Amino acid sequence: DVKVTQSSRYLVKRTGEKVFLECVQDMDHENMFWYRQDPGLGLRLIYFSYDVKMKEKGDIPEGYSVSREKKERFSLILESASTNQTSMYLCASTPPTGFLSKTQYFGPGTRLTVL
Amino acid sequence: AQSVAQPEDQVNVAEGNPLTVKCTYSVSGNPYLFWYVQYPNRGLQFLLKYITGDNLVKGSYGFEAEFNKSQTSFHLKKPSALVSDSALYFCAVRDDRDDKIIFGKGTRLHILP
Repeated sequence: DVKVTQSSRYLVKRTGEKVFLECVQDMDHENMFWYRQDPGLGLRLIYFSYDVKMKEKGDIPEGYSVSREKKERFSLILESASTNQTSMYLCASTPPTGFLSKTQYFGPGTRLTVL
Repeated sequence: AQSVAQPEDQVNVAEGNPLTVKCTYSVSGNPYLFWYVQYPNRGLQFLLKYITGDNLVKGSYGFEAEFNKSQTSFHLKKPSALVSDSALYFCAVRDDRDDKIIFGKGTRLHILP
């Protein structure tokens, strides 16, 4: 079974702090994604990555950056956390484009609270 | 641009009754369609997908979905609801030319005992 893990289930940070959210997958997937989930807004894509050192902005990249130094790990960085970044953050991965199923595999989520 | 709509924020169904959770989509190319379920304090779990072939797709936990190209819909269905089906359900679509997937806003399903 594909396993996607996220470093923390719950995280509380203060305004202005630098925050790192880590995601690791064990299926050698090329594609990895970071979403945030907010009530009434569904899932919104922040960033995604097709390969090591490769990243693309999603729908709401402002205030975030990412790092993909190794294939299995995709990090989301909040350079200076703000209260409007309080949310549930979900990481996902998929096999490469040519693979027909294209099912996304999700981690358990990190609930971040910024005070 | 691709998009997906779940017109109902919440659906209430009595246990044992059939349930339907609605989803409509818009894509430029051929659609890949997905349903995911999220239980409280958990990540999303894959339920079923339509890629090609039969319009009726069967998935996990007794759920099925019907792809209707003319109505651009992919409604999730189950013949007899269980209380344990209560969760948040997300429909998602991907254009066959793009790796980017778009999720609906989610529909909260309440199964009443």
